[in-house]
Amino acid sequence: EVQLLESGGGLVQPGGSLRLSCAASGFTFSSYVMTWVRQAPGKGLEWVSVISGSGGSTYYADSVKGRFTISRDNSKNTLYLQMNSLRVEDTAVYYCAKGLCSSTRCVVDYWGQGTLVTVSS
Amino acid sequence: DIQMTQSPSSLSASVGDRVTITCRASQGIGNYLAWFQQKPGKAPKSLIYAASSLQSGVPSKFSGSGSGTDFTLTISSLQPEDFATYYCQQYNSYPWTFGQGTKVEIK
Repeated sequence: EVQLLESGGGLVQPGGSLRLSCAASGFTFSSYVMTWVRQAPGKGLEWVSVISGSGGSTYYADSVKGRFTISRDNSKNTLYLQMNSLRVEDTAVYYCAKGLCSSTRCVVDYWGQGTLVTVSS
Repeated sequence: DIQMTQSPSSLSASVGDRVTITCRASQGIGNYLAWFQQKPGKAPKSLIYAASSLQSGVPSKFSGSGSGTDFTLTISSLQPEDFATYYCQQYNSYPWTFGQGTKVEIK
């Protein structure tokens, strides 16, 4: 059974930093794309970032580019999101999700339960 | 960026009703379209990928269709557990983008 367990959320002041983790189990972690998606309170879903199975390719939403860094440790089956220069508008539940890839594209098939990040003074 | 527009934004329906939600992309995305269901306070759940393929374990009352720019999600007979918010998402190109969501409520 695929399980994704996020941690690291909390309250941080504007301009601060936070690192989210996502512990994965139930599948061969290194073989799959992983992604972060966030949801501001009462709002819709917003894609944040994605990383290839090897970690060699990453993509970011413009709203977080240059401030957030996605990474993974395949020896620990763990995905990370380093968030720097946090803004009030980064307040959201952050979901870790697993990707299922065809030859040319990848789509989310499993989601974690989410971790809440609150940016406030 | 590709914009995804869902309609309606909300709808009221009764148990047993057939419900259809539409999603339109601002440019062609082939069939690289997914649908997700989210209940209040819960993580999203993946329903459909490649516009019409059901994710593992998803009941056949859910179906998807379309290609290019116009897509639909249909629930054949609405049940109490189906009242939720539904999102479409394109994964043809980065940045991945979601529709604004369609909230399905009980009439």
